[in-house]
Amino acid sequence: SQTIHQWPATLVQPVGSPLSLECTVEGTSNPNLYWYRQAAGRGLQLLFYSVGIGQISSEVPQNLSASRPQDRQFILSSKKLLLSDSGFYLCAWTPPGFYGYTFGSGTRLTVV
Amino acid sequence: AQSVTQPDIHITVSEGASLELRCNYSYGATPYLFWYVQSPGQGLQLLLKYFSGDTLVQGIKGFEAEFKRSQSSFNLRKPSVHWSDAAEYFCAVGARGTDYKLSFGAGTTVTVRA
Repeated sequence: SQTIHQWPATLVQPVGSPLSLECTVEGTSNPNLYWYRQAAGRGLQLLFYSVGIGQISSEVPQNLSASRPQDRQFILSSKKLLLSDSGFYLCAWTPPGFYGYTFGSGTRLTVV
Repeated sequence: AQSVTQPDIHITVSEGASLELRCNYSYGATPYLFWYVQSPGQGLQLLLKYFSGDTLVQGIKGFEAEFKRSQSSFNLRKPSVHWSDAAEYFCAVGARGTDYKLSFGAGTTVTVRA
């Protein structure tokens, strides 16, 4: 069966520090991968998605970047965090050609 | 681009009462519609989805939703809520040819009182 892993679950980082959040999917190949950010009362905002290794599409210009170094690995990064980067980050995947996300358990990021 | 509106930010319902959560979408063609539920501090779980066919869709946990094209709506219903249904609910819309991206509404928080 397919599973999605996202870590860390919680992170507190100072302003200006780097960030690396990792998401991996098991039990499937060539998944579509997505990073969303959730802010209170604002729903989910799509940040990046990838339909293949090395293919990254950015939805919102910002302080973050994403990479997909392996087929089932999706990484969200920042060189210097801002206070506004605080939020709940969710990774999701879907099989190619199919609609319907499976979400990871999320990372709560607090920038202080 | 497709978009979703959930008019109700917060709903309080008594245990055993019925529940209806509203969702309105904006998209020119036939949309792909979803309802997700999120417990505090957790990821989102798919409740049900609509792609085509029968406009009344059954999902998990006793939920159902009805697609009404004339009203651009996809409202979620449950005949009798349980305390465990207290959570945040998100409606989402997708469209053909968009790399399977989903646009989410702002969510509706459901509180269940005893």
